[in-house]
Amino acid sequence: GAGVSQSPRYKVAKRGQDVALRCDPISGHVSLFWYQQALGQGPEFLTYFQNEAQLDKSGLPSDRFFAERPEGSVSTLKIQRTQQEDSAVYLCASSLARTGAPYGYTFGSGTRLTVV
Amino acid sequence: AQTVTQSQPEMSVQEAETVTLSCTYDTSESNYYLFWYKQPPSRQMILVIRQEAYKQQNATENRFSVNFQKAAKSFSLKISDSQLGDTAMYFCAFLPFSGTYKYIFGTGTRLKVLA
Repeated sequence: GAGVSQSPRYKVAKRGQDVALRCDPISGHVSLFWYQQALGQGPEFLTYFQNEAQLDKSGLPSDRFFAERPEGSVSTLKIQRTQQEDSAVYLCASSLARTGAPYGYTFGSGTRLTVV
Repeated sequence: AQTVTQSQPEMSVQEAETVTLSCTYDTSESNYYLFWYKQPPSRQMILVIRQEAYKQQNATENRFSVNFQKAAKSFSLKISDSQLGDTAMYFCAFLPFSGTYKYIFGTGTRLKVLA
């Protein structure tokens, strides 16, 4: 597609519920990134894929967070047993290059997750 | 560890005026990239301008320009002839040159352009 597409745009989950957030990157983009943006903060790195390989998951806050990109295109970020502190905007970005340099990433519009 | 600081949580400017957003960073790296991203209410992060640390010349993109002071670790964004559509959150971001991919973002400056 022309841009990075994320769905759903908004998600309200009851505490303890599992959620799945989808990212459809720009076609042909090798790299895919997930960032978490808490209210009033800048985005923070969660995980990085190069094609289907998850090369870095050091930013995932707990083992309740899991990301996959099985065919090297669409990615899903799954959060199990959601907690209130998981409430945030989850941004996906993709890049033609293997890193974000030098031209930066293309970001999606994010999914706003609210855990009640 | 690298850090990025944006000390102005909110700013406002009259339409057609000029405004400068400040950003400082801390790193021991000698080569890196710096970016300014705009995040309007649609939430999409849009690249405004970027600067390679090894280039002394300040980057310019139409009405947007930067003042990059490497020794002072300062990277401010100047918006000239401000337009209503410039109203957004602005994030300064640091990216090490050495093959990494993790942006370090500041906490953002909310800019409001007044008619």
